[in-house]
Amino acid sequence: GENVEQHPSTLSVQEGDSAVIKCTYSDSASNYFPWYKQELGKRPQLIIDIRSNVGEKKDQRIAVTLNKTAKHFSLHITETQPEDSAVYFCAASSTGNQFYFGTGTSLTVIP
Amino acid sequence: GAVVSQHPSWVICKSGTSVKIECRSLDFQATTMFWYRQFPKQSLMLMATSNEGSKATYEQGVEKDKFLINHASLTLSTLTVTSAHPEDSSFYICSANRLASSYEQYFGPGTRLTVT
Repeated sequence: GENVEQHPSTLSVQEGDSAVIKCTYSDSASNYFPWYKQELGKRPQLIIDIRSNVGEKKDQRIAVTLNKTAKHFSLHITETQPEDSAVYFCAASSTGNQFYFGTGTSLTVIP
Repeated sequence: GAVVSQHPSWVICKSGTSVKIECRSLDFQATTMFWYRQFPKQSLMLMATSNEGSKATYEQGVEKDKFLINHASLTLSTLTVTSAHPEDSSFYICSANRLASSYEQYFGPGTRLTVT
């Protein structure tokens, strides 16, 4: 089955700086890679996703890059704000019927 | 749109009893629903995938006789934890796909289960 690894597990940045979270996956058949933000005690919320036919996708301050050859994808958050503080999860899926999540990154944005 | 609810949000039960958790898609028909388990400060672990009218597909290591999943309609899936033990205490989250062609998942708010 798919194995998704995520780094780092914790990340602290100063407000206004950029944050980068990286994930690797093992199954070359995976073709959909979403990123979720989960605030304490709340449900995960999809913040951005990318499919394997695209190398990069951007939505305002958030971007995701995908390297299919190397089997890794990254989340980039620019101009971080305190409200960006949360746990971020990456995931991978090949069929849309099974999703495998990374271990999560706890991001703290220091005002 | 694409709202998923779960009920109850929090439940305490005694060892040996069974608990049913409901997952509903409120404003769309869910072709597929997923059940996850999340331990404190840990990731979501996929337990099973269910499609309406068919048996759930369980992930390796998940006991199907202990975690009974019923996907009775396109808007409702239930997870029943049978003969609960303290080690079953966890946060259970469901999610749903809105369209067969879409991979997007919409998560429920989760259910906190405590087994005493």
